Amino acid sequence: QVHLVESGGGVVQPGRSLRLSCVASGFTFNTYGMHWVRQAPGKGLEWVAVISYDGLNKYYADSVKGRFTMSRDNSKNTLYLQMNSLRGEDTAVYYCAKAFRGGYNDPFDYWGQGTLVTVSS
Amino acid sequence: EIVLTQSPGTLSLSPGERATLSCRASQSVSSSYLAWYQQKPGQAPRLLIYGASSRATGIPDRFSGSGSGTDFTLSISRLEPEDFAVYYCQQYGSSPMYSFGQGTKLEIK
Repeated sequence: QVHLVESGGGVVQPGRSLRLSCVASGFTFNTYGMHWVRQAPGKGLEWVAVISYDGLNKYYADSVKGRFTMSRDNSKNTLYLQMNSLRGEDTAVYYCAKAFRGGYNDPFDYWGQGTLVTVSS
Repeated sequence: EIVLTQSPGTLSLSPGERATLSCRASQSVSSSYLAWYQQKPGQAPRLLIYGASSRATGIPDRFSGSGSGTDFTLSISRLEPEDFAVYYCQQYGSSPMYSFGQGTKLEIK
């Protein structure tokens, strides 16, 4: 069955960088678009970024545009989120999620367990 | 950007009762690209409904979705103890930009 496992979270100082990873299994990774979604402590869900199945197209929420970069390595079934210039408001659990049928006009049918990023001095 | 507003913020009901959750969009959601998710404490969200009214795989038929345009509803016909959670609506019709509602907490009365 489908599994998504995030890693790379931790405590980081404001202005520093962090890279998250998400390893996928149980489906043909290189045919599905993938997303990052975050959830600040005690708050709701916020979509962060999406990447096409081939990695050629990426789109970002305004709140992270220019600071975060999403990428994928289809040979390793792995998704990445490079987060630079981190701010306190980036503190959240970060989830990777799979697009239901692989495209942009799809809900997110599988989610990882999340990895916590805490931005604090 | 499409803004989704969910109501009520908190809904207090007893097991066996019917729950009705609302999601209103600031502009029409194209092709009813509206989903509902359930999230329990410490867990990732789970997809319940997509396309406004289609149940995801493995979702019990006590969950149903309806609506179109700007007004959508998630109904749970007979609440089971495991249904008490936070519910989010999401639009994916203005992709590649996506938005979630702020959530409705369904709590045991």
